Amino acid sequence: AQSVAQPEDQVNVAEGNPLTVKCTYSVSGNPYLFWYVQYPNRGLQFLLKYITGDNLVKGSYGFEAEFNKSQTSFHLKKPSALVSDSALYFCAVRDMGDYKLSFGAGTTVTVRA
Amino acid sequence: ETGVTQTPRHLVMGMTNKKSLKCEQHLGHNAMYWYKQSAKKPLELMFVYSLEERVENNSVPSRFSPECPNSSHLFLHLHTLQPEDSALYLCASSQDPLSGANVLTFGAGSRLTVL
Repeated sequence: AQSVAQPEDQVNVAEGNPLTVKCTYSVSGNPYLFWYVQYPNRGLQFLLKYITGDNLVKGSYGFEAEFNKSQTSFHLKKPSALVSDSALYFCAVRDMGDYKLSFGAGTTVTVRA
Repeated sequence: ETGVTQTPRHLVMGMTNKKSLKCEQHLGHNAMYWYKQSAKKPLELMFVYSLEERVENNSVPSRFSPECPNSSHLFLHLHTLQPEDSALYLCASSQDPLSGANVLTFGAGSRLTVL
């Protein structure tokens, strides 16, 4: 079985400060890891993914995430947050050889001006 | 637009009504999905279709009935729903569903309220 945990319901940061959204996962094999973002009244949009290779993955809108196998984590980061980054962020995992994509409960990010 | 269109965007129905949600993808993808999104809960995978064949039914009650007439269209037929079925229903599509690296493209969702 595979699962994802996003330990924080909400993250609040000031504009210009670093932003981190935490994610830990559990799979039986090798994971494929994803981050999606949902803006109000919109569907989920793909941000980035880790498949293999370099543990630091760069994605859209200046976001990056670091795969840490020993800690089973895939935290999302942005060095300098913008007010427009305020949204709901979902981490997701798929076990190698499985087509099911399991999502976390989401973290609401609020960036204040 | 994302290439995945869902209608209606909002639906209010009584428990005895029959209604349908529609999803259409313009991306040439082979797989389509229904997810249920409830506040502060993980997205729940409901159904997966690959090349119009259902490959996953994630223990969804029979009051939800999917239909995939072709690889571009997906329906979710609703009948005798309960108030706890109120949620945002998201449709998604992707290329090969068995490729672990494949990325889902989501529609904007259909907000369902059951009275």
